[in-house]
Amino acid sequence: EVQLVESGGALVQPGGYLRLSCAASGFIFSTDWMNWVRQAPGKGLEWVANINPDGSASFYVDSVKGRFTIFRDNPKNSVYLEMTSLRPDDTAVYYCFSGGGYWGQGTPVTVSS
Amino acid sequence: QAVVTQEPSLTVSPGGTVTLTCGSSTGAVTSGHYPYWFQQKPGQAPRTLVYHTSNKHSWTPARFSGSLLGGKAALTLSGAQPEDEAEYYCLLVYSGTVVFGGGTKLTVL
Repeated sequence: EVQLVESGGALVQPGGYLRLSCAASGFIFSTDWMNWVRQAPGKGLEWVANINPDGSASFYVDSVKGRFTIFRDNPKNSVYLEMTSLRPDDTAVYYCFSGGGYWGQGTPVTVSS
Repeated sequence: QAVVTQEPSLTVSPGGTVTLTCGSSTGAVTSGHYPYWFQQKPGQAPRTLVYHTSNKHSWTPARFSGSLLGGKAALTLSGAQPEDEAEYYCLLVYSGTVVFGGGTKLTVL
């Protein structure tokens, strides 16, 4: 059974830092693109970042460039999202999503003082 | 960054057929945009119905199908069921970057 399990979401102050993790199982992780997608309360889905299978290339939505970093550890079947200089408009549920179409259940991030 | 457009809302009768579309501000949608379609119900994570234009997962009901139609990606629901009432999102890939459509709220009524 395929599973993507996110963790690391929390309440953090503006300007703060968080690192999200996504642990994958049940599919060949090292051959799949991996994405982070977020959904602000009451809003639609927004793609945040992705990374290619060997970790040599990554892409970001403009609003997070320079603040967020995606990276992966293929031996650990995990992908991460390092978030710095967090802003209130980064508040959302963050989902891990694989190129093969599998989703995690999400982890909530709240940026507030 | 490209803009991906979907119908904000559609209504279908039980047993009826409806087609949702996904357009791109950059021109015609092709298989090179690797279109995806997702269903999301309130309080739940999204789930993938169709990937790479027309491929389905094991959990995708047979009544859903994906295609390219008139320069757009399309999701056709044939024989709508009450449980199909949900928000539907498409996704297109642009040379590495990804853009979601704004979603279509589908009502089965």
